[in-house]
Amino acid sequence: DQQVKQNSPSLSVQEGRISILNCDYTNSMFDYFLWYKKYPAEGPTFLISISSIKDKNEDGRFTVFLNKSAKHLSLHIVPSQPGDSAVYFCAAPNFAGGTSYGKLTFGQGTILTVHP
Amino acid sequence: DAGITQSPRHKVTETGTPVTLRCHQTENHRYMYWYRQDPGHGLRLIHYSYGVKDTDKGEVSDGYSVSRSKTEDFLLTLESATSSQTSVYFCAISEPGLAGVSYEQYFGPGTRLTVT
Repeated sequence: DQQVKQNSPSLSVQEGRISILNCDYTNSMFDYFLWYKKYPAEGPTFLISISSIKDKNEDGRFTVFLNKSAKHLSLHIVPSQPGDSAVYFCAAPNFAGGTSYGKLTFGQGTILTVHP
Repeated sequence: DAGITQSPRHKVTETGTPVTLRCHQTENHRYMYWYRQDPGHGLRLIHYSYGVKDTDKGEVSDGYSVSRSKTEDFLLTLESATSSQTSVYFCAISEPGLAGVSYEQYFGPGTRLTVT
């Protein structure tokens, strides 16, 4: 049961334009979401997060939007740069077993390619 | 960068042999995790640890075991490697925050395992 879904395996954008990466979730109990970025041959790195008490969180060129009624979040990158080319994962805390212990459930990932 | 190392970084092994992957951290974080990354599946949790000698199963634990005899080391063992366990394995760490939990995880560089 994939509780966090990224339905677009890949996205290609031009440098300077906006990149929008989408993520859907099925569990209405999720109250916190994170985005991770992963370059080839490296581990994922934390990018930005959002709590369900907010509908937007911004950090420089990166903004995450949360639509709780639609169970949907999106990551906007403006302006996109070639160095943003990476795999992006959304994630939510995993409470399977009753206690999270910080566990996360990840989406399948979206490969972003930013062309110069 | 969080002090997380994984060894080996690459390994090729034969079906049926046992394999142990090591994760070592210098951050003194309480929680540790093992994930595998496969195309189309994102990152899936194998096992996790919430303290020394305290471990539990994740969503894809069959065929794997773990041990944590000290805070800094978390070992993942494939009892009898199979071709379906060919994957990239990531270790991650996190530390409960002041609010009781922190969902931000820090990842190691990964181990690429090929089972022939």
